[in-house]
Amino acid sequence: DAKTTQPPSMDCAEGRAANLPCNHSTISGNEYVYWYRQIHSQGPQYIIHGLKNNETNEMASLIITEDRKSSTLILPHATLRDTAVYYCIVRVVSGNTPLVFGKGTRLSVIA
Amino acid sequence: GAGVSQSPSNKVTEKGKDVELRCDPISGHTALYWYRQSLGQGLEFLIYFQGNSAPDKSGLPSDRFSAERTGGSVSTLTIQRTQQEDSAVYLCASSLNPTGGRTEAFFGQGTRLTVV
Repeated sequence: DAKTTQPPSMDCAEGRAANLPCNHSTISGNEYVYWYRQIHSQGPQYIIHGLKNNETNEMASLIITEDRKSSTLILPHATLRDTAVYYCIVRVVSGNTPLVFGKGTRLSVIA
Repeated sequence: GAGVSQSPSNKVTEKGKDVELRCDPISGHTALYWYRQSLGQGLEFLIYFQGNSAPDKSGLPSDRFSAERTGGSVSTLTIQRTQQEDSAVYLCASSLNPTGGRTEAFFGQGTRLTVV
């Protein structure tokens, strides 16, 4: 069962930052937050993950609140190719449980 | 290979027939996942293999579905007596040993199954 809540859809103007929220109020201390995205007709693609510190890589930044009950994925300069469904997932660090995807947020980047 | 490979890419079968879908994970990846995605829907977890542990079969929708992973590498998802509601894209993913949070999963392009 997905343990996260995300808005079903969002729009973002091309070139602007896209901020995608995720609520995970029941997250446990041994669970990471992961973000994946799925561009139309493709398999999902890993973006980033974190435990409690903010993380940044070449694709995005992940901001996790101090209480870890929510997080925000930031795409700093959204392009049309970032149009996709974005999934926020929590999973125990042991990896003994599968990756379970919820409904995600459909991000539309508009020219 | 460089990525997760699935075959066939497309499969059309008649209702009632059995089908086998194949997944070749990235070499060295100990974890393997199967999902299915119906048109316009999210990813539905089916089964998870992790190393030598017993697979997590909690997502299999019925006893017509089964999966094997031979030698810790290639996996086959078998659907017996296919039904029209089995029509979907079946996605396979693999990852390194997921302990310590390194669970970056790499997905194949999927097998589109159509039951007619």
